[in-house]
Amino acid sequence: DAGVTQSPTHLIKTRGQHVTLRCSPISGHKSVSWYQQVLGQGPQFIFQYYEKEERGRGNFPDRFSARQFPNYSSELNVNALLLGDSALYLCASSDKVTGVFYGYTFGSGTRLTVV
Amino acid sequence: QKEVEQNSGPLSVPEGAIASLNCTYSDRGSQSFFWYRQYSGKSPELIMSIYSNGDKEDGRFTAQLNKASQYVSLLIRDSQPSDSATYLCAVVDRGSTLGRLYFGRGTQLTVWP
Repeated sequence: DAGVTQSPTHLIKTRGQHVTLRCSPISGHKSVSWYQQVLGQGPQFIFQYYEKEERGRGNFPDRFSARQFPNYSSELNVNALLLGDSALYLCASSDKVTGVFYGYTFGSGTRLTVV
Repeated sequence: QKEVEQNSGPLSVPEGAIASLNCTYSDRGSQSFFWYRQYSGKSPELIMSIYSNGDKEDGRFTAQLNKASQYVSLLIRDSQPSDSATYLCAVVDRGSTLGRLYFGRGTQLTVWP
């Protein structure tokens, strides 16, 4: 059974460009979450989508946007790239629970380098 | 702003020793806590979860939770060089049913042979 898949694995972009990162959730999961991990820091929450609707947004500028498709896959878009956007972008999937949340598995991540 | 603090390390222990990793959190209402292991250049891997006060053991790993002190710890017994990694403490946002996590900065652990 496939886990969370992300693409591309690595990419290099120039300041000012835009980038699209993709994520496919675990089969049956309807929620996708995006995190940014800058070198030396813990992951920071960017977005969470459930059933194609945004359910949460972290403290990131409007240059960051995301969407979720009918098949529950998701895209993270970043416009007007800055050097500080260089990071590992992580995607995780989950499903809504009515009780205790048991944690989720991250995809392998996309390493973005902005030069 | 909810905060998760970890002892910054790096922590270095000899093979076979017990490694102790600590974490405190600011939101007293938090209910779910996780430890992730992250090898250099890789994504975080969930290794332990804990929800109730006390200890939870899984193999060589023991997670400890004290909600009154807002403190979570991870003990690694019989440490192996393969345990060398960064360990991230994560706390679930109170009320989140979809799992919004707050992470600490991580503690880098080195186990030397």
